[in-house]
Amino acid sequence: QVQLVESGGGVVQPGRSLRLSCAASGFTFSSYGMHWVRQAPGKGLEWVAVIWYDGSNKYYADSVKGRFTISRDNSKNTLYLQMNSLRAEDTAVYYCVMDTALWGQGTLVTVSS
Amino acid sequence: SYELTQPPSVSVSPGQTARITCSADALPKQYAYWYQQKPGQAPVLVIYKDSERPSGIPERFSGSSSGTTVTLTISGVQAEDEADYYCQSADSSGTYHVVFGGGTKLTVL
Repeated sequence: QVQLVESGGGVVQPGRSLRLSCAASGFTFSSYGMHWVRQAPGKGLEWVAVIWYDGSNKYYADSVKGRFTISRDNSKNTLYLQMNSLRAEDTAVYYCVMDTALWGQGTLVTVSS
Repeated sequence: SYELTQPPSVSVSPGQTARITCSADALPKQYAYWYQQKPGQAPVLVIYKDSERPSGIPERFSGSSSGTTVTLTISGVQAEDEADYYCQSADSSGTYHVVFGGGTKLTVL
């Protein structure tokens, strides 16, 4: 079964860090670029970051550049998002996305004191 | 920065045709993708590369492109099509960025 399963969300205080994971199964993970996309409560979709299939290139939205890091471990079929210096405006459901085609169910990150 | 503009809402009666536009503010425009999102669910890809339909997506969903505007057309709208629809493209003119439109709420009257 082709699927993406995110984990690692939760409630965190402003300024703290959190790492999200996305476990892929049912397809050749190492062949696809992967994205993180987020959606604040009641708002639209916002692209966060992308990593090439082999990890050779990474790009970020201006809103997270310098604070978030996308990475992958193709041997573990897993995508990561390291989020540092979190802000209230980072509160959102974070989706893992395979090359525009397949989305996970998302994991909620709430930044609040 | 590159932006995609969608109408906030579109309303149609069952059986009618719904058209949702997505306009880019600059050229060049890369391929566009369309997603359907129902409340409490993750988005689902309904159109890729402007006009291609993934397997499992009903034939009533189609996409087209003209200049800097892409259009999602839903022919013979059904009640189950009521959802938010987002267009997406990419800007590679400088540093690579993916861009989403603001979303369109399709209401089936």
